[in-house]
Amino acid sequence: KQEVTQIPAALSVPEGENLVLNCSFTDSAIYNLQWFRQDPGKGLTSLLLIQSSQREQTSGRLNASLDKSSGRSTLYIAASQPGDSATYLCAPKNYGQNFVFGPGTRLSVLP
Amino acid sequence: DVKVTQSSRYLVKRTGEKVFLECVQDMDHENMFWYRQDPGLGLRLIYFSYDVKMKEKGDIPEGYSVSREKKERFSLILESASTNQTSMYLCASKITSDRANEQYFGPGTRLTVT
Repeated sequence: KQEVTQIPAALSVPEGENLVLNCSFTDSAIYNLQWFRQDPGKGLTSLLLIQSSQREQTSGRLNASLDKSSGRSTLYIAASQPGDSATYLCAPKNYGQNFVFGPGTRLSVLP
Repeated sequence: DVKVTQSSRYLVKRTGEKVFLECVQDMDHENMFWYRQDPGLGLRLIYFSYDVKMKEKGDIPEGYSVSREKKERFSLILESASTNQTSMYLCASKITSDRANEQYFGPGTRLTVT
């Protein structure tokens, strides 16, 4: 059964810093992996979907990388802003299975 | 843009009441999902549906049932609400293909059972 961990559980940084959020999964035979953002008390917003054949996917200041063989994905946020403060979740998907969600990293960007 | 809507943002019900949570998506997605989210436990899948009138149990189906009479609508039913069902409920939808697809979420319903 797929298990997902995210490190760190919480992160607090000053505005302007570049930062990396980590996602690890136990079953490397995934089809794709999705990164989400969740604001307090709200639903999840999709940030990036990275296919198993891709190594990177970029959207604005966000860059997601995938290393299937080692069971890892990272989300890189460049030049962080207070508006980036949220919880970030990763969710790998294996063939014929549903997405499995990590516990999330709670990010605070201080002005 | 894909839109997933949920009938209520906040709901307060009494123990023993029958509760209906409604979810509607406007992108003709075949797959729909109901999750609950609790602090320290993350998102857990309750039920999902691959098509109209089809339903599959997720990881925690006990105490819940679902209905999918139309493609765009997926309802979660709490037959007899209990206090341990106080939670944030999230609905999601996606197309069937495993490739080049994303899961889209609604805004969530915060249910409190007293």
